[in-house]
Amino acid sequence: QVQLVQSGAEVKRPGASVKVSCKASGYTFTTYDFNWVRQAPGQGLEWMGWMSPATGDTGYAHKFQGRVTMTRDTSISTAYMELSSLTTEDTAVYYCAKNPPATGDFDSWGQGTLVIVSS
Amino acid sequence: QAVLTQPSSLSASPGASASLTCTLRSGINVGSYKIYWYQQKPGSPPQYLLKYKSDSDNQQGSGVPSRFSGSKDASANAGILLISGLQSEDEADYYCMIWHSSAWVFGGGTKLTVL
Repeated sequence: QVQLVQSGAEVKRPGASVKVSCKASGYTFTTYDFNWVRQAPGQGLEWMGWMSPATGDTGYAHKFQGRVTMTRDTSISTAYMELSSLTTEDTAVYYCAKNPPATGDFDSWGQGTLVIVSS
Repeated sequence: QAVLTQPSSLSASPGASASLTCTLRSGINVGSYKIYWYQQKPGSPPQYLLKYKSDSDNQQGSGVPSRFSGSKDASANAGILLISGLQSEDEADYYCMIWHSSAWVFGGGTKLTVL
């Protein structure tokens, strides 16, 4: 059974960084890409970027370039998304999702991680 | 102007059909894109429904009922998610998505109410 389990909620100060993890199980970690999508309270979905666990290749949405880093640890089947220079506008639920490479079939999603940025 | 525009809300009756549109910005030809559809219920992550490019290039997500189908309206430059035989459990937010300019882009979402 495929599962993506994300780390717990975080509260951060403006200017800080947050690192969210996404632990995969039930399939071969390196055969699917990861995407990160966020959702601000009461708002729609916003794509942040993708990562290939097989190669480490990444691609980031223009809006987040320079501020987001997506990495992985294949030894523990875990993907990470780190977002720096946080502002209150970054308050959102952050989701990881897996997909076959080069497709938009985000076929399994993590449960979401709430990140609150507040002074 | 947003790349993808969806009506913010739509209401339909149980048993009826609902047609959710996803209009591409002028200058972006719907015929060139595969359109993905997601369903999201309150408090839950999105769930993949299907992808549609043409009648010969489309695919249902695993376990997604055949009541959900995709199409396009070239004259409106829009992708369409058709839900037939509406059930109360179909009440949710629906998002379309395309790959455009090296990025995945979501529409703003449509809140479907079944009443």
